[in-house]
Amino acid sequence: EIVMTQSPATLSVSPGERATLSCRASQSVSSNLAWYQQKRGQAPRLLIYHASIRATGIPARFSGSGSGTEFTLTISILQSEDFAVYYCQQYNNWPPWTFGQGTKVEIK
Amino acid sequence: EVQLVESGGGLVQPGGSLRLSCAASGFTFTTYYMSWVRQAPGKGLEWVAIINQHGGEEYYVDSVKGRFTISRDNAKNSLYLQMNSLTAEDTAVYYCARDGESGSPSWFDPWGQGTLVTVSA
Repeated sequence: EIVMTQSPATLSVSPGERATLSCRASQSVSSNLAWYQQKRGQAPRLLIYHASIRATGIPARFSGSGSGTEFTLTISILQSEDFAVYYCQQYNNWPPWTFGQGTKVEIK
Repeated sequence: EVQLVESGGGLVQPGGSLRLSCAASGFTFTTYYMSWVRQAPGKGLEWVAIINQHGGEEYYVDSVKGRFTISRDNAKNSLYLQMNSLTAEDTAVYYCARDGESGSPSWFDPWGQGTLVTVSA
């Protein structure tokens, strides 16, 4: 089973600033990685797939990068609606499909 | 509009059973793998089970093998999760999720709104 590790657990950022979230895989997942956003009380929403492709309707301030075992989600200019929990997920080696434990982006 | 609507959650005693349903609309149901993903209170996301387009290929997370069964009825555009021998550790919001890429298991998109399963005496 591939273990996904996200860091930091909590990221405190001011609106308008840049946020950088990390995700590490226990072994290579190539570019088979997705990122999700989950707001309190809501279902997760797909942001990025194939490590760097934005899903339909996702603003350009969200970008993904990386391959192999190291991945990054960057939110270039944080908006108030971006404060949420973010999860990475690998789909290279399955089953199981595995998620990171999440990074909470909170208002500083 | 693609839509997934779960139902069937509720309070069940330890050792009991529950059947979740997910009604799909807005897309060609028969061309996608479908999954259940759960989230325990205050915790992260955990993939639970997946089924291929016409059934016959199923996978489960180890913790539910032998207790949960995923199935689908393509005539009704519906996905199901039969959960038996439930324990407190199964308490979670259960999400129905479509595979993100037609034809092969990948990411999950979209997700339903979730249905809460509480296992408690």
